[in-house]
Amino acid sequence: KQEVTQIPAALSVPEGENLVLNCSFTDSAIYNLQWFRQDPGKGLTSLLLIQSSQREQTSGRLNASLDKSSGRSTLYIAASQPGDSATYLCAVRRRETSGSRLTFGEGTQLTVNP
Amino acid sequence: NAGVTQTPKFQVLKTGQSMTLQCAQDMNHNSMYWYRQDPGMGLRLIYYSASEGTTDKGEVPNGYNVSRLNKREFSLRLESAAPSQTSVYFCASSQGAVNSYEQYFGPGTRLTVT
Repeated sequence: KQEVTQIPAALSVPEGENLVLNCSFTDSAIYNLQWFRQDPGKGLTSLLLIQSSQREQTSGRLNASLDKSSGRSTLYIAASQPGDSATYLCAVRRRETSGSRLTFGEGTQLTVNP
Repeated sequence: NAGVTQTPKFQVLKTGQSMTLQCAQDMNHNSMYWYRQDPGMGLRLIYYSASEGTTDKGEVPNGYNVSRLNKREFSLRLESAAPSQTSVYFCASSQGAVNSYEQYFGPGTRLTVT
């Protein structure tokens, strides 16, 4: 059974700091890994999708890496801003015989202080 | 282009009552999903529909039924609500299920069962 763990559960940083969020998964047989952002009381917004054959993806100040063999992904946020405050979730899509499913971590709650 | 929409946004039910959560997407996606999000449990898949006319159970299907009404709409029904079904429910869609497509989420339905 695929398990996804995110560390730390919560993180508080001053504005302008570069930071790294971590995600680990137990089964390396995945199609892809997706990072989401969730604001309080809102739905999930997709940030980055990394296919299993890729090593990293970038979007603006965000960079996500994937090391499938070690079961790890990181989300790097450069020059953090108060507007980046949210919960960040990673999810892996594992291979199954009938369709594929996302397994989510519990998220890292990020607070960026002005 | 609204993406994924869900109705209602909030609902309070009494134990034993029934209700249907509605979800629609306007991205011409083939696959649709229902998740629930609970504190300490993360997001868990209830049911999914890989394509119009098909539905499959996810991790936590007990107490729920689904209907893929057409390509756009995927509804989730609680026949006899229980307090354990108090949760936030998210609908999602993706272009496909088997291949490595990104999932897009709706804003959620916050359900309380008393």
